[in-house]
Amino acid sequence: NAGVTQTPKFRVLKTGQSMTLLCAQDMNHEYMYWYRQDPGMGLRLIHYSVGEGTTAKGEVPDGYNVSRLKKQNFLLGLESAAPSQTSVYFCASSYGILGNQPQHFGDGTRLSIL
Amino acid sequence: GIQVEQSPPDLILQEGANSTLRCNFSDSVNNLQWFHQNPWGQLINLFYIPSGTKQNGRLSATTVATERYSLLYISSSQTTDSGVYFCAVVPGANSKLTFGKGITLSVRP
Repeated sequence: NAGVTQTPKFRVLKTGQSMTLLCAQDMNHEYMYWYRQDPGMGLRLIHYSVGEGTTAKGEVPDGYNVSRLKKQNFLLGLESAAPSQTSVYFCASSYGILGNQPQHFGDGTRLSIL
Repeated sequence: GIQVEQSPPDLILQEGANSTLRCNFSDSVNNLQWFHQNPWGQLINLFYIPSGTKQNGRLSATTVATERYSLLYISSSQTTDSGVYFCAVVPGANSKLTFGKGITLSVRP
């Protein structure tokens, strides 16, 4: 039972570089989410998807893009990384709409932008 | 938007002690979840509890939606209970999951 798997687990980037974080779930969930967690704060929603081929903006979407080409995968892209994007990124998935079913989280990706 | 306040912000317990963690929210909610983030950063879903009471081993949770609060009870605490406990709520249908800032729990042997 893999659940929600995030890759990579750690990454260091230089300002201006680009990268893609991958999230994969094997629970056949329709809904997937990307969050960021900064020190002393709870998680904040970046983008989410309510099904294959769909994406929507969350609370803090600027500087990020996402794609959901396959139901099981949700990609988070940083086109030009900035130090303010240093954070821990969590992916989650759920069976139902945003709040009406529990969300299951991956182990996180720790990203540092120098 | 909805405000989620958790208290106390920090808690230190001796192993074996009991504790109660509180989550207050500023508006009516459809759903509420409690999470435990362990010292390795993993986020574990403890309870999905929009109302009522649930129990899972030494942990139990109660949500009183009409009074806008939820409580997480930890009995006979263990060092493995250490970490940060988050409450997250959904204020309405198709709304976003909003997290509190968390409660940092340290259980000492």
